[in-house]
This record gives sequence, structure tokens and C-alpha cells, in this order.
Amino acid sequence: EVRLLESGGGLAPPGGSLRLSCAASGFTFSNYAMTWVRQAPGKGLEWLSGIGGGGRSTYYADSVKGRFTISRDDSKNTLYLQMNSLRVDDTAIYYCVKEMGVRGYSDPGDFWGLGTLVTVSS
Amino acid sequence: EILMTQSPATLSVSPGERVMFSCRASQSISTYLAWYQQKPGQAPRLLIYGASTRATGIPARFSGSGSGTEFTLTISSLQSEDFAVYYCQEYHNWPPYTFGQGTKLEIK
Repeated sequence: EVRLLESGGGLAPPGGSLRLSCAASGFTFSNYAMTWVRQAPGKGLEWLSGIGGGGRSTYYADSVKGRFTISRDDSKNTLYLQMNSLRVDDTAIYYCVKEMGVRGYSDPGDFWGLGTLVTVSS
Repeated sequence: EILMTQSPATLSVSPGERVMFSCRASQSISTYLAWYQQKPGQAPRLLIYGASTRATGIPARFSGSGSGTEFTLTISSLQSEDFAVYYCQEYHNWPPYTFGQGTKLEIK
């Protein structure tokens, strides 16, 4: 059974940093691309960042480019999102998503974690 | 960036009825279209990918159609557990990929 467990969310001040983690199990982690998607309170879904299997390729939404960094440690079956220069509008639930393929593009996400809440406030 | 537009924002339908959700892309995305269901307090669940392929474990009452810029998700006979928000997402070519704004399915 595929399981994705996010952690690392919490309260951060504007301009602060947080590092999210996503522990994966139930599949061969290195064989699949992974993605972060967020959902602001009461709002829709926003694709943020993706990384191919093996970490060779990374992709970002314009809203987070230069502030957020996606990475993975295949030896630990863990996905990360380093978030710097946080803004109030980064407040959201952050979901870790497994993609159906390894490339990091042109594949949908087929399993989602339960999410971790990030609140940016002074 | 591709813009995905879902309509309507809210649908009120009775159990047992058939319902259709619309999703339009601002440019052709072939069949690189997925549908997700999200219930309150839960993560989204993949229903359909490739515009018309049901994901593993998804009941046959869910079906998807369309290509290019116009897509439809159909639920043939609504069950009580189907009331949720439905999102479409394009994954054509390179990221970033965009979601539609969602359609909320309510009990009539």
C-alpha cells in the first residue's frame, strides 16, 4: 500500500523558512517522480514543484521559483521542500504527491499524502 | 501557462441522477487531463487520467471524455459518497501544471 506522510509544517514568520519532508513507503521510491501541491484555506489546488526519479530534473511554479527548493533522498525514501522567504500567501496545506511515471513531466499524480499545514504569520 | 476553466462552480443534484462536469483548457492539451475528487478534510483522489482512463479502484460509474480543449467527467448514477469537489488538471508537456478552480457537487 502506497503511503506518503508529510511533516515539518507549522507557524513561521514572514521572511522565515521551513523544511517539509514526505516519507514514502509501499513503492520503489526512486522509480517515480514526486510533486508538491498546496491548497490555501478554502481555495483550490496549486501545483508547486516536481522532481524526476533520481532527482535529475526539477520544476517549479513561478510563484515559488527562487524561494523554494525541491529535493529527494532515495536512500531514505524521502522527498523534501525547502521553503525560504516565506510570505503570508504561502499559508496552505502542502501535499506530497507520487506521480505515475519517473520523468517528472507529462504524468499525473496518482497518490497523495494527507498534507501538512504551513501558516505564515507575524 | 495553460488556463483550466471548470464550470459550473457548484452543481446541485439528487442521488441516483447523472451529472456531468465540464473542464476547458486555454490551448490544446491532447488527452493530458486528469480528474480528482476531494472530500472535506481529505486529500484529493485520482479518478481519471489520460482524459478517459479510470484510476485503480475507481467505480465504473465514473467516466471521462474529451480531447484537445474540451473535457467532461460524468457520474452515471450519483451515490451519497460522491458529493465532493472535483478538480481537473492538465499535465501537458512541461511543468508547471495547472488545476481548474473546482466544481462543488452538492446534494439537492
